[in-house]
Formats: sequence, structure tokens, C-alpha cells
Amino acid sequence: DGGITQSPKYLFRKEGQNVTLSCEQNLNHDAMYWYRQDPGQGLRLIYYSQIVNDFQKGDIAEGYSVSREKKESFPLTVTSAQKNPTAFYLCASSMAPSAGRGGELFFGEGSRLTVL
Amino acid sequence: AQSVSQHNHHVILSEAASLELGCNYSYGGTVNLFWYVQYPGQHLQLLLKYFSGDPLVKGIKGFEAEFIKSKFSFNLRKPSVQWSDTAEYFCAVNRGAGGYNKLIFGAGTRLAVHP
Repeated sequence: DGGITQSPKYLFRKEGQNVTLSCEQNLNHDAMYWYRQDPGQGLRLIYYSQIVNDFQKGDIAEGYSVSREKKESFPLTVTSAQKNPTAFYLCASSMAPSAGRGGELFFGEGSRLTVL
Repeated sequence: AQSVSQHNHHVILSEAASLELGCNYSYGGTVNLFWYVQYPGQHLQLLLKYFSGDPLVKGIKGFEAEFIKSKFSFNLRKPSVQWSDTAEYFCAVNRGAGGYNKLIFGAGTRLAVHP
């Protein structure tokens, strides 16, 4: 089955530690995204990547880093610089849009990070 | 800055009641509009989308939404809800040209349907 796999589902981290969340897709999608979901705030875009070896900051990139070395993979590192890292993190992917049209995002099941 | 507003954060209905969830966006140009749903314990999935054409779009599970350009709105409706519609619903917008797929999401509306 094609889809997006995020791991781990649950993660606990001590303050001051970096942690990396994995996101893998086998949909052959060009674009991948990381969103953060907090209660009452919806989803906010952290980083996105339209092609391999290229990525752009979203609205709340501070304290996060990403890489896109392979089309299938877009890991997110939550660094110790992120002031409020406890959240639910969602990875998504999409096909490259046709001219003038935005496409559908496909989401993974999410990773819940708790900082102790 | 582009933003999306969902009017109700929590909605409680009885089965068979009608549903309308409000969504307004701030961007004035061409937009693509989406409603996503997140059932308990499941991943976000697309309910319906609007790119162009008929402003009344139909989605899965009997949901529909109407794009009213003059009101910058894209409200979600269902004539008769079921207990299985209990979920969180998100409205999302991106620009029609050059905006790629950077969706801007609303804060979400939690719907609880009681039998």
C-alpha cells in the first residue's frame, strides 16, 4: 500500500536534547512538508521541500532543521533551540501541482513529541 | 498575511441534525480551498476540495461545501450527521497560482455527534 510512514509515533525527550522524526513516502511525490499541530491552533507549516536537495522555511522554522537527500525521505530534527517542542508533528506529501492548481496533501499518522 | 478562520471550535450535535461549519479566508486572489477531516486516532484525510467551476462541491460521506467568492467563505455542510462523523475538521487554503501546495490551515472545529 502506498502511503506516508512517520516514526516514532510517540517520543519523549529531555530538555536540551535534539531529536529526529522520520518521514518516508512511497507515493513518488515530489513535495514533502512538515506541520506542527497544537490544540486550538490548527496546523502550522515548519518546512517544506519541492525537490530533492532543496527545502524552504515555513511559518515556524525556528528551532527545527530538515534534509531532503532522497525523494522518499524528509526527516525533521527538533533542536534544543526550539522553545516549546512538545507537540504533534505531521508529515505530508503531494504531487507537483499542474499549472495554476494546488494539489492534495497526503498525511502521515503523526509523531507526538513530549519534552520532559 | 493570509489567514483562515473557522468560526466554531467545538460543535455538539445529535444524530440526524444538520451541520454547517464556517470557514473564511483573507486572501483576495485566486485560491484553492480544502476541507480535511481527522477522525479519532486516524490521520488527516481530504474531505473535499475546490479549484474552479461549480462553487458547490461534493465530497465523501455526504459532505458538501459552497464557495462564495464575495464572502471569502467555504462553509462545510451535511444535511444529517451520524455518530461516525465525530472528528476534527480543518479548512485550508492555498493560492491558485504559484503558491504551490503551502496550505494555510484554520484552527479546526471539533465535532461531537451524540446518538
